[in-house]
Amino acid sequence: AQSVTQLDSQVPVFEEAPVELRCNYSSSVSVYLFWYVQYPNQGLQLLLKYLSGSTLVKGINGFEAEFNKSQTSFHLRKPSVHISDTAEYFCAVSDLIRGGKLIFGQGTELSVKP
Amino acid sequence: EAGVAQSPRYKIIEKRQSVAFWCNPISGHATLYWYQQILGQGPKLLIQFQNNGVVDDSQLPKDRFSAERLKGVDSTLKIQPAKLEDSAVYLCASSLQSSGNTIYFGEGSWLTVV
Repeated sequence: AQSVTQLDSQVPVFEEAPVELRCNYSSSVSVYLFWYVQYPNQGLQLLLKYLSGSTLVKGINGFEAEFNKSQTSFHLRKPSVHISDTAEYFCAVSDLIRGGKLIFGQGTELSVKP
Repeated sequence: EAGVAQSPRYKIIEKRQSVAFWCNPISGHATLYWYQQILGQGPKLLIQFQNNGVVDDSQLPKDRFSAERLKGVDSTLKIQPAKLEDSAVYLCASSLQSSGNTIYFGEGSWLTVV
């Protein structure tokens, strides 16, 4: 079975500071990895995904993530955050053979303060 | 391109009543998912359709939840009878096919059971 652990439930940060949201996964098979963002009262929007190739993945809104197979991690980073980045962030995995369903972590609430 | 459409956006019902949610996926998307997101948690898959066939309904509480996608396009999720613990956001999502493709989410249907 697969599982995703987001190590921080809340991350407060000041505007223009860098941020890292941590994600670890567990799986016995190869996986695809995703980060989604959820703004208040909205659905989930894809930030970025790792399928194969370069382990550094760039996404929308200046976010990037690095896949580390040996540490089974997929941490999300942004060098300088804005107030508008305040949202809930979800890490998710899907496997290659069981229909593509996403298994989500518990979410990390990013709160950017002026 | 139109996104995933869901209705109603908000619903309040009493326990033991029934409710139905409707979803229209992105045109051409063969795979449709229903997720349940309880406040403070990550989304959990309830059921996955590939065209009009069920791929995975292992976490659907079948004694009270049902879902159908009769013509391989629109889908309906029904809860009967509702319990207090069913209060959640019900997210519909779709993708072109299965593994690796981006999954697009609707804005969700918010259910409160009182």
